[in-house]
Amino acid sequence: SAVISQKPSRDICQRGTSLTIQCQVDSQVTMMFWYRQQPGQSLTLIATANQGSEATYESGFVIDKFPISRPNLTFSTLTVSNMSPEDSSIYLCSGGGPPDEQYFGPGTRLTVT
Amino acid sequence: QKEVEQNSGPLSVPEGAIASLNCTYSDRGSQSFFWYRQYSGKSPELIMSIYSNGDKEDGRFTAQLNKASQYVSLLIRDSQPSDSATYLCAVSGGSQGNLIFGKGTKLSVKP
Repeated sequence: SAVISQKPSRDICQRGTSLTIQCQVDSQVTMMFWYRQQPGQSLTLIATANQGSEATYESGFVIDKFPISRPNLTFSTLTVSNMSPEDSSIYLCSGGGPPDEQYFGPGTRLTVT
Repeated sequence: QKEVEQNSGPLSVPEGAIASLNCTYSDRGSQSFFWYRQYSGKSPELIMSIYSNGDKEDGRFTAQLNKASQYVSLLIRDSQPSDSATYLCAVSGGSQGNLIFGKGTKLSVKP
């Protein structure tokens, strides 16, 4: 299994600012994913972070709003840009292990005021 | 659109009983199936994976897979109050190599 850490664990941000969330995996993984989860709701995939290429975004999510970096096989960042209160959510990263298994980081709880 | 369906619950069982959680999926090509447990305010935790038809047991947990019926289930024997959580079913086959998650079933185990 992979152990995944995220930081920050939570933040309160002003409208119009940006926040970068970091995700670190304790082993090399081919695939890393970023999700958003509203309280009481299920997971919504934002994008897949690909090492050596641009991230692949799900419908409804765009690179200008959620730029992603994946500089190596153990690290990725997600930036939430020009934030509005609607961006308040929990942001989760996950990494792939042995066939298709994904392990999640502890999440970043974001509040935009 | 590939989908994973779960009864949202809440499913309430008494302590010591068997909890049965069910999941159906739409993509016949899916090869890997997972159950995650998510406590309130926490991230999902992988508790079971299953890849072939039949049963797979791990402690008090048994995952069952029937690919012909496109059905996955999770049985929790001797349920404990600490099992109270939301259980997410996930299936391989997302367009980006991602898992496709159901909306989860909330389980409540009453002492």
